[in-house]
Amino acid sequence: NAGVTQTPKFRVLKTGQSMTLLCAQDMNHEYMYWYRQDPGMGLRLIHYSVGEGTTAKGEVPDGYNVSRLKKQNFLLGLESAAPSQTSVYFCASTLGGELFFGEGSRLTVL
Amino acid sequence: DAKTTQPNSMESNEEEPVHLPCNHSTISGTDYIHWYRQLPSQGPEYVIHGLTSNVNNRMASLAIAEDRKSSTLILHRATLRDAAVYYCIRTGNTGKLIFGQGTTLQVKP
Repeated sequence: NAGVTQTPKFRVLKTGQSMTLLCAQDMNHEYMYWYRQDPGMGLRLIHYSVGEGTTAKGEVPDGYNVSRLKKQNFLLGLESAAPSQTSVYFCASTLGGELFFGEGSRLTVL
Repeated sequence: DAKTTQPNSMESNEEEPVHLPCNHSTISGTDYIHWYRQLPSQGPEYVIHGLTSNVNNRMASLAIAEDRKSSTLILHRATLRDAAVYYCIRTGNTGKLIFGQGTTLQVKP
C-alpha cells in the first residue's frame, strides 16, 4: 500500500514547454485533488475530481488541464508552461474523510 | 465553499497547551471540520476531524462549538516538533476542499 504517489518529484521546464504530472493512489479513493503551493503561501486548489471520468475547476484552474480516465490516477497537464506556474504541486485523495497527500512535485519554469 | 478564518500566527511555550481557533460561521449541517498541519518542506498531514461532538486522538483534541460556527484545535503539551502551519478546513458534500492561509504556530523552548 503505497498511498499517494506523485511523479516526477522535480522538473525544470522552459517557458512554453508542456508536461504532465501524474498522481496515483492505491486506496480506491473516489476524490482526488491537485493543489499548488507558492513560497510562504497556503495551498490553492487547481482542479479536483469526485470520481472516475469527472473533473471540476478549483480556485486557480487557468493554464492547467486534468484527466481522470482511471479511478486510481489523476493527471495534471500544463500545455504551455509559464514562469508563474513555478510552484510545488501536491496531489491528495480521500474517500470522504481524511485527506492523504503525496510528497509534492517541485516544478520550476524558466 | 467559503474559507475558514484563522489567526495568522500564534506562539506557545514548550510543554504548555495550545488552543488554535477557527471560525466557520457559514458552515452547513453536513460539513465536517478538518485540521491538517504542514511542517517545513513537507506536505500537509492529517491531524483530526469532527462533525458535532468533541473528538480526541493521539495527536490532539478538537472542540466544536455548540452552534458549530467555530472550533478549537487543542494540543495538550506543545513540543518543538509541533511548530508548523495548521489549517482548518470545512468539507462539504461538493467534494471541493479549500484551504485557507492557516495559523503558523511557533513553539519556544
